[in-house]
Amino acid sequence: AQSVTQPDIHITVSEGASLELRCNYSYGATPYLFWYVQSPGQGLQLLLKYFSGDTLVQGIKGFEAEFKRSQSSFNLRKPSVHWSDAAEYFCAVGVSGNQFYFGTGTSLTVIP
Amino acid sequence: DTEVTQTPKHLVMGMTNKKSLKCEQHMGHRAMYWYKQKAKKPPELMFVYSYEKLSINESVPSRFSPECPNSSLLNLHLHALQPEDSALYLCASSQVGGQKSPYEQYFGPGTRLTVT
Repeated sequence: AQSVTQPDIHITVSEGASLELRCNYSYGATPYLFWYVQSPGQGLQLLLKYFSGDTLVQGIKGFEAEFKRSQSSFNLRKPSVHWSDAAEYFCAVGVSGNQFYFGTGTSLTVIP
Repeated sequence: DTEVTQTPKHLVMGMTNKKSLKCEQHMGHRAMYWYKQKAKKPPELMFVYSYEKLSINESVPSRFSPECPNSSLLNLHLHALQPEDSALYLCASSQVGGQKSPYEQYFGPGTRLTVT
């Protein structure tokens, strides 16, 4: 069965520090991969996506993610975190049949 | 226009009420989704419509009844809900498989539902 794992439930970083959020997926073929961000009480905003091609993808707000097929991973990174990045981050997988699977989410706290 | 709109933003209803949530998109997407999200949890898929036909129903109780009147609109009819149904209800849309950027979902801001 398809699954998406985000091993870190909660991460705290200092403002200006680098960030990496982990995501692993389980699927027979290369799925469509996404990272979404959700601020409290809000809908989800797409940060970036990977369908094929270059395995390092750039997104909005200075985020990037790297697809590693050998590790079934799609980790999200940002070189310098801003206080406004504090939010919930979800990795997601889209597969045939319009099925969509979210990871459990990682809550990011940014300290001044 | 890359926006998905949802109305109302907030809804409080009693357990005997009947209400409806509405969702609209004008991006030409032919797949539309309803999700339920509890606090600090990921969205849980409820229903998927593809080309205005229900394609996925994730064993949702019958007190939730979806409707897709046309390719731009999606409704969720609510009846005899329970307090545990209180949650954020999110609508999303996407292109379907085979099109450019399939499965990339655009989300609305959600309806915060409270059942009393």
